[in-house]
Amino acid sequence: GENVEQHPSTLSVQEGDSAVIKCTYSDSASNYFPWYKQELGKRPQLIIDIRSNVGEKKDQRIAVTLNKTAKHFSLHITETQPEDSAVYFCAANPRGDDKIIFGKGTRLHILP
Amino acid sequence: DTGVSQNPRHKITKRGQNVTFRCDPISEHNRLYWYRQTLGQGPEFLTYFQNEAQLEKSRLLSDRFSAERPKGSFSTLEIQRTEQGDSAMYLCASANVQAQETQYFGPGTRLLVL
Repeated sequence: GENVEQHPSTLSVQEGDSAVIKCTYSDSASNYFPWYKQELGKRPQLIIDIRSNVGEKKDQRIAVTLNKTAKHFSLHITETQPEDSAVYFCAANPRGDDKIIFGKGTRLHILP
Repeated sequence: DTGVSQNPRHKITKRGQNVTFRCDPISEHNRLYWYRQTLGQGPEFLTYFQNEAQLEKSRLLSDRFSAERPKGSFSTLEIQRTEQGDSAMYLCASANVQAQETQYFGPGTRLLVL
């Protein structure tokens, strides 16, 4: 069935260190993998996305990698800063269209 | 146009009452999505529209829930005979599928059923 697993559910990282969040998906037709950041009381906001025709995409301190064979994709945040503290959601489109299914989220704490 | 807007932002109602929420998408976005988010969970898909046509409704959604997008612009989500389990954040998102844009979310409507 349509499913996106995300882990860890909570992650604490020292400021300046890197954070990695991992997701797996179940449907081979998936070809679009967005990541959203949601701060407390705010709307989810897209931070980066990747399509299945590439294996990696980077935007400043944020990168996403995709392994289609293993059905894994990951978010990497380098040189973490206090403002990176938030809940991060991965998502995938199980049918290859624009309907996306979200993971349960990872609460990222950046420790001073 | 500053983005997707939703009204009201908060709604408190008594069990058994009907509620209606409104979503105004980004202008010219042809796709509009409704999600429900409970504490500690990711957004859960409810339904979505291509212009005025409702394309899919989640099988998890009871018959008490109905959504419309009559003119292909704003949309309404109605919950009839609310239950305490309906308490959640209801999020709307819109996208321009032709431009392969991703979904942009509104601020949500937080519903509390007493």
